[in-house]
Amino acid sequence: DQQVKQNSPSLSVQEGRISILNCDYTNSMFDYFLWYKKYPAEGPTFLISISSIKDKNEDGRFTVFLNKSAKHLSLHIVPSQPGDSAVYFCVSSQGNLIFGKGTKLSVKP
Amino acid sequence: NAGVMQNPRHLVRRRGQEARLRCSPMKGHSHVYWYRQLPEEGLKFMVYLQKENIIDESGMPKERFSAEFPKEGPSILRIQQVVRGDSAAYFCASSPNDGAGNQPQHFGDGTRLSIL
Repeated sequence: DQQVKQNSPSLSVQEGRISILNCDYTNSMFDYFLWYKKYPAEGPTFLISISSIKDKNEDGRFTVFLNKSAKHLSLHIVPSQPGDSAVYFCVSSQGNLIFGKGTKLSVKP
Repeated sequence: NAGVMQNPRHLVRRRGQEARLRCSPMKGHSHVYWYRQLPEEGLKFMVYLQKENIIDESGMPKERFSAEFPKEGPSILRIQQVVRGDSAAYFCASSPNDGAGNQPQHFGDGTRLSIL
């Protein structure tokens, strides 16, 4: 049973537009989340995180939103660039990391 | 390169052989984690180690798999008598603490294990 769910396996966006990647979790005790980006044949790279004491965290083009009542978080990338094309993992940190299955983002020029 | 180093990058074994995967954490990091990724899946936690200690092995299969992080040298993930189902990408991550301070884990580029 998946504790962190990314229901969209893939997403295609035009360059310059906004990319929105969604994630749901099942355990209301989860209190710290991260997004990792992964290119083929490489390891995941940390992108941005959010603690449950906040509902938004922003870093440049990347913003993560957390809705605790809905147990939902989302990653917004704006504007999207072709170099953003990768698999994005939503992750809950419980000491060790619990990964969603990932969403493959394709940003088309 | 001060990142997490894993070797080999690719490893091919026949059924019944042993596989040894190595991981050198980032400089200054004393916490090592191993994860396994099957095709089309997310990474799944296997084991968490500090120097000379296994802290959490709740994700490790009960048989054939073992891990160590000796006082000197890299962390080793060992798979004995490999089977086809062991084919996967194995990733190592390290952090400077146990995650309580919410320091993100830094990942190596993985070892792709193929079982013939």
